[in-house]
Amino acid sequence: EVQLVESGGGLVQPGGSLRLSCAASGFTVSNNYMNWVRQAPGKGLEWVSVIYSGGGTFYADSVKGRFTISRDNSKNTLFLQMNSLRAEDTAVYYCAREGDYSGDLAGFDYWGQGALVTVSS
Amino acid sequence: QLVLTQSPSASASLGASVKLTCTLSSGHSSYAIAWHQQQPEKGPRYLMKLNSDGSHIKGDGIPDRFSGSSSGAERYLTVSSLQSEDEADYYCQTWGTGIRVFGGGTKLSVL
Repeated sequence: EVQLVESGGGLVQPGGSLRLSCAASGFTVSNNYMNWVRQAPGKGLEWVSVIYSGGGTFYADSVKGRFTISRDNSKNTLFLQMNSLRAEDTAVYYCAREGDYSGDLAGFDYWGQGALVTVSS
Repeated sequence: QLVLTQSPSASASLGASVKLTCTLSSGHSSYAIAWHQQQPEKGPRYLMKLNSDGSHIKGDGIPDRFSGSSSGAERYLTVSSLQSEDEADYYCQTWGTGIRVFGGGTKLSVL
């Protein structure tokens, strides 16, 4: 059974840093495209970042230069390092696996339960 | 620019059917999308991948009441025999090289 469990959320002051983790089970993180998606209070879903199975990384313009996506293959875990945090980064952060059906991407087919990040003084 | 457009809200009666629309931006009418459901106070749940030809692959455990179809740049999600638990936000999502995009979401009310 595929499972994704986020941790590391919390309250942080503006300008501070936080690292989110997403522990995966039931599949191998390094064999899949893995993403972070966030949802500000009362708002819609916003894509944050992707790491490809080959290691390539991409970011939304809103977080480029401040956030870093990575993975630890030995722990089968995905990370999001968030620096220079701003009030507008306040959101629930979800990790999501990108489905791959016979070589064709299929969207985010499994989601974690989310981790709340609050940026406030 | 890759953009998905959804109506903010929709409503239908218990037991009826509803068709939600997601529109791809100009030049992107061949793109596949995915549909996701987010019930109140819950995380998103994958419903299906929907191709430009209307073929679709549903996620694990998704009931037959959920189906997808396509026409040009429009992608549709039809929910039949509406139940109270179908009251949720529905998001479409697509992808390109180095980018993933969500529509703004449609809030479905079941009357």
